[in-house]
Amino acid sequence: KNQVEQSPQSLIILEGKNCTLQCNYTVSPFSNLRWYKQDTGRGPVSLTIMTFSENTKSNGRYTATLDADTKQSSLHITASQLSDSASYICVVKVGSGGGADGLTFGKGTHLIIQP
Amino acid sequence: GAVVSQHPSRVICKSGTSVKIECRSLDFQATTMFWYRQFPKQSLMLMATSNEGSKATYEQGVEKDKFLINHASLTLSTLTVTSAHPEDSSFYICSARDFLASTNEKLFFGSGTQLSVL
Repeated sequence: KNQVEQSPQSLIILEGKNCTLQCNYTVSPFSNLRWYKQDTGRGPVSLTIMTFSENTKSNGRYTATLDADTKQSSLHITASQLSDSASYICVVKVGSGGGADGLTFGKGTHLIIQP
Repeated sequence: GAVVSQHPSRVICKSGTSVKIECRSLDFQATTMFWYRQFPKQSLMLMATSNEGSKATYEQGVEKDKFLINHASLTLSTLTVTSAHPEDSSFYICSARDFLASTNEKLFFGSGTQLSVL
């Protein structure tokens, strides 16, 4: 069964600090992995998208890594800001099968940045 | 980037009434749109695939007579929750693919609709 597991479930850090969110997946065949930011009461917004051959991708203060061998990904946030408070969702696209949209969603990590 | 507009953002209704949610692709044509629901602290769950000009495809366990989907044009899909009950209270999100988007990401989400059924 295709699954995406994220950890931690929630995280609280002080403004200005760095943090790393984890994503493990058991999706096959793998097509790509995405990280989304979802503000409370809003739809997800894409941060990064990585294919099998990409190990790292950055988007401003967000850096995602992918290890296709161990089926793990991480999202590193540098110099956190209050506006980073949100849920961060790891999503893996299946090469075949899965939902009609081909996506398997994680439950997300709820990040709170405190001043 | 591509914009998907969803309306309303929040709706409160009485039990037994029907609620319509609209999803529009503002600057691109979308032959396919997707509808999800999300419970607090849970992942997005795909409900159905909305196909322009044809019937929607529903995921297993989703009642098609309960959640009516209409995709009458290339830029608009609607989800109608019929005879809503409190257990239908949830966050509903749509998405659409813009195959011509210049970015690697081709899938764009609406801003969601929080439905509360009293």
